[in-house]
Amino acid sequence: QVQLMQSGAEVKKPGASVKVSCKASGYTFTSYGIHWVRQAPGQRLEWMGWINSGEGNTMYSQKFQGRVTITGDTSASTAYMELSSLRSEDTAVYYCARGVGSTLYSVSDIWGQGTMVTVSS
Amino acid sequence: DTVMTQSPDSLAVSLGERATINCKSSQSVLGSNNKNYLAWYQQKPGQPPKLLIYWASTRESGVPDRFSGSGSGTDFTLTISSLQAEDVAVYYCQQYYRIPPTFGQGTKVEVK
Repeated sequence: QVQLMQSGAEVKKPGASVKVSCKASGYTFTSYGIHWVRQAPGQRLEWMGWINSGEGNTMYSQKFQGRVTITGDTSASTAYMELSSLRSEDTAVYYCARGVGSTLYSVSDIWGQGTMVTVSS
Repeated sequence: DTVMTQSPDSLAVSLGERATINCKSSQSVLGSNNKNYLAWYQQKPGQPPKLLIYWASTRESGVPDRFSGSGSGTDFTLTISSLQAEDVAVYYCQQYYRIPPTFGQGTKVEVK
């Protein structure tokens, strides 16, 4: 079945970086984009960025520009999101989600299970 | 950024009764293709969001027909025609017309 499987929970110190993986299965990875969305405790969902899994082009939210890098490995059907210079406000559940089609302007029809990232000294 | 504002923040509805959630966008999300770039998601505790509705009124495959979406431009509504116990969740609207895509603050639906 179509699914996205994310890497496990992470605990990081302020200033460190975290890299979350998202492995796709059950569909042609290169035919769909991947969005990254985070949800801090008690907060609304927040879009971070997107990758066209086939061509590798990306778009980032201005809020995270310079701190976030989204990459893809087509041979492994896996997308990655790396967030650097972590601070306590980055404590959140991070989701990858399949974008319908290869366009940035797309809804997310399949979501990963989420990865909890905790930033604490 | 386009601000999405939902109302109410929470509502309690009796089983079998109608639940209505509103979503207002700070800018129009109606595209030149005459489609509204507005989606609705359902999120239960400890789970990722689940897509219910896209293009403002198109139900995702497998979503029960008691869920319906309406509206255009800046004002949208999600209606659950007959609330079931399994519908207890937080519901989010999302616009995907402008970058960055943005979500509403969520509406918590409970059983009265």
